[in-house]
Amino acid sequence: RKEVEQDPGPFNVPEGATVAFNCTYSNSASQSFFWYRQDCRKEPKLLMSVYSSGNEDGRFTAQLNRASQYISLLIRDSKLSDSATYLCVVGNNNAGNMLTFGGGTRLMVKP
Amino acid sequence: GAGVSQSPRYKVAKRGQDVALRCDPISGHVSLFWYQQALGQGPEFLTYFQNEAQLDKSGLPSDRFFAERPEGSVSTLKIQRTQQEDSAVYLCASSRTPIYEQYFGPGTRLTVT
Repeated sequence: RKEVEQDPGPFNVPEGATVAFNCTYSNSASQSFFWYRQDCRKEPKLLMSVYSSGNEDGRFTAQLNRASQYISLLIRDSKLSDSATYLCVVGNNNAGNMLTFGGGTRLMVKP
Repeated sequence: GAGVSQSPRYKVAKRGQDVALRCDPISGHVSLFWYQQALGQGPEFLTYFQNEAQLDKSGLPSDRFFAERPEGSVSTLKIQRTQQEDSAVYLCASSRTPIYEQYFGPGTRLTVT
């Protein structure tokens, strides 16, 4: 079983739709949580950190449930430019903040 | 300012050849990480440096893989006697200190034929 699991998708949604991605992690010692975005043939880039209280950045909302070891990302009012792969990532500060990545969820937003 | 740079961007190697992949982190960044990303997968951790010290190499898949960062800045990942299963994108990331955001370089796409 992978340490960080995500539905690979693809999620095909129309512009303006709301889409949600979920992720589960197995290491209860994980201390930091992130969503990264990766465009085709590009490097991953940090989209947002995820906090237990939940956090929002514009159209993006992230939630963390430590008890269930579950992380979510909600994208509202999808844009064509949101098309990318979204990587769920957990960090272990005891290992120099080594990041463990999920396999990614591919999102395609269509006109 | 300059981000993380990696060279070469693309490398084709015949099976059995040795390769060396270079990473130039952001200036002043203490932490440096190497990840391997196979096609259609998320990146997987290979090794971690804090300055010149290699603190974790638990992700290196075999003893054919070796990484160094002798002066605490530029790092080299060396793969000896390359195999087809080594074909992947090798990503380098650096961060100001261990707990800060990691910035990724563009990666080196290695193809072993």
